[in-house]
Amino acid sequence: QVQLVESGGGVVQPGGSLRLSCAASGFTFSSYGMHWVRQAPGKGLEWLSFIRYDGTNKYYADSVKGRFTISRDNSKNTLYLQLSGLRAEDTAVYYCAKDLSRYSGSSLDYWGQGTLVTVSS
Amino acid sequence: EIVMTQSPATLSVSPGERATLSCRASQSVSSNLAWYQQKPGQAPRLLVYGASTRATGFPARFSGSGSGTEFTLTISSLQSEDFAVYYCQQYDSWPLTFGGGTKVEIK
Repeated sequence: QVQLVESGGGVVQPGGSLRLSCAASGFTFSSYGMHWVRQAPGKGLEWLSFIRYDGTNKYYADSVKGRFTISRDNSKNTLYLQLSGLRAEDTAVYYCAKDLSRYSGSSLDYWGQGTLVTVSS
Repeated sequence: EIVMTQSPATLSVSPGERATLSCRASQSVSSNLAWYQQKPGQAPRLLVYGASTRATGFPARFSGSGSGTEFTLTISSLQSEDFAVYYCQQYDSWPLTFGGGTKVEIK
């Protein structure tokens, strides 16, 4: 069965950095695009970033462009999100999710349980 | 950026009744529209993709319809396990965007 397990969340000061990881299993990780989505406390879902199955194409929401970087290591079945220049408004649960397709962003058919990032001094 | 607007924000429905949720796109997204269900403390689950294709594990009482800018999710006879928040999401163009959600609560 498909499993996505996020890690790396925690408390970080404004302006700080953090790297989130998402360990994937139960499917051929190297064959699918992957996403990061976040949810601030009590709020809705915000799509953040997508990376193609082979890592050649990446897309970002305007709110995180230039501050967050998505990457993947297909040899380790792991997706990453490097967060930098963190602000209070980045406080949220961060989810990784598998795309239904390989190439282009589509629907997100499997989600991890999320990792909480809290930006606070 | 395509803005997705869901209505109503909250829908109060009695068990066994029909629920109709709306999602509107600020420009055409063709049929590149998905719906997700999220229960408290849980990750979202894909419910419908391609505007009308039901995802694995969801019963036939859930149905999606629409194309272009107007979409509907219908739950024909609400069961207790269906009370949750529902989100629509377009994947027609970057950035992908979600609607603000509709909370379906017990009346």
